[in-house]
Amino acid sequence: ETGVTQTPRHLVMGMTNKKSLKCEQHLGHNAMYWYKQSAKKPLELMFVYSLEERVENNSVPSRFSPECPNSSHLFLHLHTLQPEDSALYLCASSQGAKMQETQYFGPGTRLLVL
Amino acid sequence: ILNVEQSPQSLHVQEGDSTNFTCSFPSSNFYALHWYRWETAKSPEALFVMTLNGDEKKKGRISATLNTKEGYSYLYIKGSQPEDSATYLCAFVGGTSYGKLTFGQGTILTVHP
Repeated sequence: ETGVTQTPRHLVMGMTNKKSLKCEQHLGHNAMYWYKQSAKKPLELMFVYSLEERVENNSVPSRFSPECPNSSHLFLHLHTLQPEDSALYLCASSQGAKMQETQYFGPGTRLLVL
Repeated sequence: ILNVEQSPQSLHVQEGDSTNFTCSFPSSNFYALHWYRWETAKSPEALFVMTLNGDEKKKGRISATLNTKEGYSYLYIKGSQPEDSATYLCAFVGGTSYGKLTFGQGTILTVHP
């Protein structure tokens, strides 16, 4: 257990659905991240939050909408997704958002868009 | 676009063998290099964060070296065990952005009993 949990672990949704992914960290960290791993591609950073403020948006389409209500919780709201958005979505947290900070990852949500 | 390359893509070794793999990254604007170990159906687990040229880090049978001038890092596993089977990821941090890790595609290690 890394202290970072994600729900749900698996999700199937249609292109017209709206769903949300949830991440919770129990480590007292101040920075949280969303990553995406598509098939046969490296892990790709989507968003960075530091002290509940978004500090990095890695050119992610607006159909992905992050929300960080407090330093322990991070959501990724999904709407009108495309089949190519099917991927593993990983959440991570770190003490701060500095470049040398170790990031602690959750187990991921496997998303299938039909 | 940052290019982080890992080689080989996959590796099969016998229990007891020692092995190593490579992570190549841009040699300019370096800040940190992370190594992670990712077992199937589990969370990626941090192994090392390396920041200084010439750094060597060790954790049990696993060690890593760093050469920032030529842009590479090696990960070594001594006396591989079946439980070492996992994907090993490196991630480069450069520039001035917040903790933005650029990952390589990983090396998949399988250790056969």
